[in-house]
Amino acid sequence: SQTIHQWPATLVQPVGSPLSLECTVEGTSNPNLYWYRQAAGRGLQLLFYSVGIGQISSEVPQNLSASRPQDRQFILSSKKLLLSDSGFYLCAWSVRGWDSSYEQYFGPGTRLTVT
Amino acid sequence: AQSVSQHNHHVILSEAASLELGCNYSYGGTVNLFWYVQYPGQHLQLLLKYFSGDPLVKGIKGFEAEFIKSKFSFNLRKPSVQWSDTAEYFCAVNTGGYQKVTFGTGTKLQVIP
Repeated sequence: SQTIHQWPATLVQPVGSPLSLECTVEGTSNPNLYWYRQAAGRGLQLLFYSVGIGQISSEVPQNLSASRPQDRQFILSSKKLLLSDSGFYLCAWSVRGWDSSYEQYFGPGTRLTVT
Repeated sequence: AQSVSQHNHHVILSEAASLELGCNYSYGGTVNLFWYVQYPGQHLQLLLKYFSGDPLVKGIKGFEAEFIKSKFSFNLRKPSVQWSDTAEYFCAVNTGGYQKVTFGTGTKLQVIP
């Protein structure tokens, strides 16, 4: 069966410090991978998605970047964190279903607090 | 670009009351529609989805949703809620053959025993 891992679960970082959040998927090949930020009252904001190794699409301009060095690994990074980067970050994966839909499977999330 | 609107941000119901959460989307073509649920302390998970065929879709835990194409709506319903249905509910849309899924802002449901 497929599983998705995210780490760390919680992170407290000072303003201006770098960031690296990691997401890995097991049990599937060539998944689509996604990074979302979840904020109260704002739902899930799609930040990046990737349909293959080295292929990254950015949805919103921001202080963050994403990389996909391996098929089932997705990394969210920042060179210098801002206070506004605080939030709950979710990784998700999907593959095309028999009905052509892309049902998403979510990880446990990382709570990032920038101080 | 596709978008999703959930008009109810916070709903409070007593146990056994009926539930209907609204969801409207904007996209003129073929869509796949989803409802996801996030129980306290748990991962987001799929509740039900519509991709084609019968517009009335049944999901887990007695939930159902009706796709009304003319109204661009996909409302979630449950005849009788339980305390364990307390959660945040997200509507989402994905255009057929496209990997991106757009989520609504979510509705927090609180069920009072």
